[in-house]
Amino acid sequence: QLQLQESGPGLVKPSETLSLTCTVSGGSISSGGYWWTWVRRPPGKRLEWIGIIHYSGGTYYNPSLKSRVVMSVDTSKDQFSLNLSSLTAADTAVYYCARAVQVTSSSLINYWGQGTLVTVSS
Amino acid sequence: DIVLTQSPGTLSLSPGERATLSCRASQSVSNNYLAWYQQKPGQAPRLLIYGASSRATGIPDRFSGSGSGTDFTLSISRLEPEDFAVYYCQQYGGSPYTFGQGTKLEIK
Repeated sequence: QLQLQESGPGLVKPSETLSLTCTVSGGSISSGGYWWTWVRRPPGKRLEWIGIIHYSGGTYYNPSLKSRVVMSVDTSKDQFSLNLSSLTAADTAVYYCARAVQVTSSSLINYWGQGTLVTVSS
Repeated sequence: DIVLTQSPGTLSLSPGERATLSCRASQSVSNNYLAWYQQKPGQAPRLLIYGASSRATGIPDRFSGSGSGTDFTLSISRLEPEDFAVYYCQQYGGSPYTFGQGTKLEIK
């Protein structure tokens, strides 16, 4: 049974960089045909797709966040990570990691982590 | 970006009744790449439907999806107690992928 678990700080200060890690168990991050995804939901707002990364290192980011996002993957630990810089209160959200299966030129999220709440506040 | 609007915001029904949830897109969804997810409090979202009408693995056949272009529907034929949750639609036909705001299905 595939499981994804987010980890990272629950509280970060404005202007700092958020670093979150997702640990994959019950499957290998290097499995072909999958992309590893970050999604967030700010309080009272809809889910927002942040971006995806392939184990080979290929990435696609939401243009609205592209200037502040870096994703990376560590195949030796079956982990992938999200770095989001220049934080403001608007980045306060529940952050989810997820696995997406490649569908032609797109990707479909088929497994999600439980999510972790990140609050940006001084 | 494609904006997805779900209706109603809240749906109050009784077990055994039929539920119909709507998701309308601001522009046509490429290849009808529209998914539905269910989320219960404290749990991870679960994929129910993909490609507008295909059930994901292990999803009961009381869940069905339909629609194309800009108008999509999730139907639950006979509500079970465990079906009361929040439902989200998502389009993955065009980047950036976007989500609806959710429909809360509550017990009447």
